[in-house]
Amino acid sequence: QVQLVESGGGVVQPGRSLRLSCAASGFTFSNYAMHWVRQAPGKGLEWVAVISYDGNNKYYADSVKGRFTISRANSKNTLYLQMNSLRAEDTAVYYCAGDSRLDDIFDIWGQGTMVTVSS
Amino acid sequence: DIQMTQSPSSLSASVGDRVTITCRASQSISSYLNWYQQKPGKAPKLLIYAASSFQSGVPSRFSGSGSGTDFTLTISGLQPEDFATYYCQQSHSTPLTFGGGTKVEIK
Repeated sequence: QVQLVESGGGVVQPGRSLRLSCAASGFTFSNYAMHWVRQAPGKGLEWVAVISYDGNNKYYADSVKGRFTISRANSKNTLYLQMNSLRAEDTAVYYCAGDSRLDDIFDIWGQGTMVTVSS
Repeated sequence: DIQMTQSPSSLSASVGDRVTITCRASQSISSYLNWYQQKPGKAPKLLIYAASSFQSGVPSRFSGSGSGTDFTLTISGLQPEDFATYYCQQSHSTPLTFGGGTKVEIK
């Protein structure tokens, strides 16, 4: 079935790095734009970044620009989020989300992976 | 950035009630407005896109309306499985932004 599975979350100290992965299955990954969306504990949803279906276009929220990098490997059906210079305010559940219509609508979601930035 | 404001932030309702949630954009977004449902500990789920189009598999008791800056999600005949938090999201322009959420609780 259609599925997105995130991995790579954990506890990390401020200033350190972490790379999240999102494995796709059950659909043609290379046809989808892909996003990362996060949710701090007890808070609402915050869009983080998007990458086009071919990987040629990327956009970021101001809160992560210059620190986070979104990428994808269509041959591996996998989406990535490289997170550098992590801050306490980056603590959240990170969801990957698929966009089949290529119009910034999230119609497939993963289950999320928790990232905690703490000393 | 386009700010999305939802109201109310929470509401209490009974099974069978008609529930209306409002979302307002800080500038016109035409019909680039989407609604999601999130249950505790779960990922959000797309309900309505383009203001009023149903995502496949979503029960017909959910409906969306509006354009420009003012939008509404209506649940006609609340069911036990509908108690959740609902978010609107604009897909007009980046950065993509969400409303603060409306938590629908059991009365």
